[in-house]
Amino acid sequence: GAVVSQHPSRVICKSGTSVKIECRSLDFQATTMFWYRQFPKQSLMLMATSNEGSKATYEQGVEKDKFLINHASLTLSTLTVTSAHPEDSSFYICSASLAGEMETQYFGPGTRLLVL
Amino acid sequence: QKEVEQNSGPLSVPEGAIASLNCTYSDRVSQSFFWYRQYSGKSPELIMSIYSNGDKEDGRFTAQLNKASQYVSLLIRDSQPSDSATYLCAVNEGAPRNDYKLSFGAGTTVTVRA
Repeated sequence: GAVVSQHPSRVICKSGTSVKIECRSLDFQATTMFWYRQFPKQSLMLMATSNEGSKATYEQGVEKDKFLINHASLTLSTLTVTSAHPEDSSFYICSASLAGEMETQYFGPGTRLLVL
Repeated sequence: QKEVEQNSGPLSVPEGAIASLNCTYSDRVSQSFFWYRQYSGKSPELIMSIYSNGDKEDGRFTAQLNKASQYVSLLIRDSQPSDSATYLCAVNEGAPRNDYKLSFGAGTTVTVRA
């Protein structure tokens, strides 16, 4: 149980384009999902907390207009990187919590984004 | 986010030995503690959670928590080459006031020598 998927696993795009990343909880309903970014040799940095049916809460320094998050259902959250630039190249990872086990986060496999 | 400190390593241990990983945290009200394993190029995988002072064992893994010292550790017994990874310590200060957010340490890289 507690399986989280992400799509795509890898994406290469041109500078200025937008990229959408999907995060799905496959066998449970996730009231809360989290989006992280990880640069090489660094730890995970939380970007935003996403609650179903409400606006995402962004961490300080994360541009909400650049990183659009939609949590339309209890099993799906999406992150859209708008007008991507090379400095946005990173490993984007989502996680989800089970209702009743909210403090434990289960991670998706991650999406590696390369912006040329 | 609150501070979580780990020795970055690398920690090199021979196969069959015990690997000992340490983590300290700054927020005294923290309630939940987690160890994640992350292989190179992969996302983190939960291996242990601990909420109360003392030891918690799961297979070859033992987590130890001392809230008074704000210290949590992970022991890996009978280390195997497949244990070679980066181990992330994560701390939750006590939901729901923080939306269940986790603060992560930078990770300790473990290499098990065959």
